[in-house]
Amino acid sequence: EVQLVESGGGLVQPGGSLRLSCAASVFTFSRFAMSWVRQAPGKGLEWVSVISGTGGVTYYADSVKGRFTISRDNSKDTLYLQMDSLRAEDAAIYFCAKSTSIRYPLDSWGQGILVAVSS
Amino acid sequence: EIVLTQSPATLSVSPGERATLSCRASQSVGTNLAWYQQRPGQAPRLLIYGASARATGVPARFSNSGSGTEFTLTISSLLSEDFGLYYCQQYDSWPLTFGGGTKVEI
Repeated sequence: EVQLVESGGGLVQPGGSLRLSCAASVFTFSRFAMSWVRQAPGKGLEWVSVISGTGGVTYYADSVKGRFTISRDNSKDTLYLQMDSLRAEDAAIYFCAKSTSIRYPLDSWGQGILVAVSS
Repeated sequence: EIVLTQSPATLSVSPGERATLSCRASQSVGTNLAWYQQRPGQAPRLLIYGASARATGVPARFSNSGSGTEFTLTISSLLSEDFGLYYCQQYDSWPLTFGGGTKVEI
């Protein structure tokens, strides 16, 4: 069974930075696109970003463009999300998820990691 | 950006009854629509994609119909494990977007 385990969350001040990681196992990581999706407390799902299997193609939601950077290290089977200039509205549970391609449904999800933004 | 509108916001049903959830897109997404289930405290789970294909392990009581801008998820006979939140998502164009969700409650 596919395993995706997020880490790196926590409390950060507005304007601060945080880097999330998602460790993948039990599948050939480099063959699949990976996404980040977030969910603010008590709210719905919001797609954040996606990266292709090779890492050569990325897309972002407008709400994070220019502040967040998605990347991956296929030698380590790990996905990253570098979050800079954090705002209160970025507070959420962040899920990583895999898909067959960048514009495809998200077929496996991690359990999520909480990011809190507060002074 | 394609906006997905789900209705109703909350659906109250009894075990064994049929549940019908709607997802309307602001412009055509063809059949590039997926449905997810999220139980309390859990990550979302892919149910249906390509408008009608069930994901691995999803029981046949879940089905979808529609294309273009109108989609319907039907749960033919609700079990207790089916209660929770349901989201539709379009993957036809950027940015990928989710609907606001429908809560299926007892």
